[in-house]
Amino acid sequence: GAGVSQSPSNKVTEKGKDVELRCDPISGHTALYWYRQSLGQGLEFLIYFQGNSAPDKSGLPSDRFSAERTGGSVSTLTIQRTQQEDSAVYLCASSPGGGGRTQQPQHFGDGTRLSIL
Amino acid sequence: KNQVEQSPQSLIILEGKNCTLQCNYTVSPFSNLRWYKQDTGRGPVSLTIMTFSENTKSNGRYTATLDADTKQSSLHITASQLSDSASYICVVRPFNTDKLIFGTGTRLQVFP
Repeated sequence: GAGVSQSPSNKVTEKGKDVELRCDPISGHTALYWYRQSLGQGLEFLIYFQGNSAPDKSGLPSDRFSAERTGGSVSTLTIQRTQQEDSAVYLCASSPGGGGRTQQPQHFGDGTRLSIL
Repeated sequence: KNQVEQSPQSLIILEGKNCTLQCNYTVSPFSNLRWYKQDTGRGPVSLTIMTFSENTKSNGRYTATLDADTKQSSLHITASQLSDSASYICVVRPFNTDKLIFGTGTRLQVFP
């Protein structure tokens, strides 16, 4: 498809398990972002990839969270030893380029709704 | 205190009516301000992007305004439709960073 694709759309898992969330950005987009959206909260920045530069991981809430982007395209967000407070919608977005002054909109996927039992 | 605050938190209007959503921000300096629409269960979709030097930007029935002096923005929806029912999120991009700052949104419900 032409948009950002995320999988799975829903994930229910037990506390303590590891989960992997996948994001397929729009082809050709060099910038990729992960956000977390908890109920009643604004989107929370997690991590940002721009081309071949080192990712900005400053938003990751703990060392249980990590993300990779292989070949400048697909990205995987991994949460190890999940906790109940990790329950949220995880959104991925991509844009044609990074840079603080870009006027390009971020294109969002529909997210993965993660529920930790 | 959030750097981007929106009001009201929720709003109910009748189909065909106009409404205005507010966004106050403290982010300074900033590169641009965006409004996104997020349908339930979907990702946000960009409506408008305004740089700090722009005062207004329209996208169909959506018109965003920006007053950089008072650090306020508004989103005006004209002749509302049932499909306008969604959350509307104000987003500010600080200068020289790629990290956007999101408001918590206004949930709009349009009833027939």
